[in-house]
Amino acid sequence: QQQVKQSPQSLIVQKGGISIINCAYENTAFDYFPWYQQFPGKGPALLIAIRPDVSEKKEGRFTISFNKSAKQFSLHIMDSQPGDSATYFCAARGANNLFFGTGTRLTVIP
Amino acid sequence: DAEITQSPRHKITETGRQVTLACHQTWNHNNMFWYRQDLGHGLRLIHYSYGVQDTNKGEVSDGYSVSRSNTEDLPLTLESAASSQTSVYFCASSEALPGDTEAFFGQGTRLTVV
Repeated sequence: QQQVKQSPQSLIVQKGGISIINCAYENTAFDYFPWYQQFPGKGPALLIAIRPDVSEKKEGRFTISFNKSAKQFSLHIMDSQPGDSATYFCAARGANNLFFGTGTRLTVIP
Repeated sequence: DAEITQSPRHKITETGRQVTLACHQTWNHNNMFWYRQDLGHGLRLIHYSYGVQDTNKGEVSDGYSVSRSNTEDLPLTLESAASSQTSVYFCASSEALPGDTEAFFGQGTRLTVV
């Protein structure tokens, strides 16, 4: 049973466009929500993270929007670049461990 | 620079054989984790350790074991490899709980069981 549901599975965006990836969860005990970026042949790397007492966090072109009542959070990549092409995983921390979504493969077309 | 390394990067083994995947980190982190990554499932936690001699089962621990005899290493053993264990395996470490500090991942081991 997937504790964190992620969509879409794949996403194609034009250079300069906005990429949006969505995640949803059920466990209200989750207390930390990171996003990881993974390039082919590499391990995941932390991109940005948010805690449930904050509704939005922005770091450069990357923004997390968090809706606690809806138990949903999303990653927005503004001005998407070909170098952003990677697989993105959302995750949630519960019981001191991270539970990951199924991943979104983002392709940014030049 | 401190790092986390996994070996081998690729391995092919036969059904029923015992296989050990190595994970070594030089950050002196107490916490170490093993995940498997499969299409459609994302990363799933296999085992984790919060320190020497401490090991815990994750959500998909059946058929796997770990041991923690020192801070730097957390080897993952497949007791009797099965085709269902064909996957990409990632080791990670963190100074404190993921979220309180960043968790760093290795580059992965691609295991094929034939």
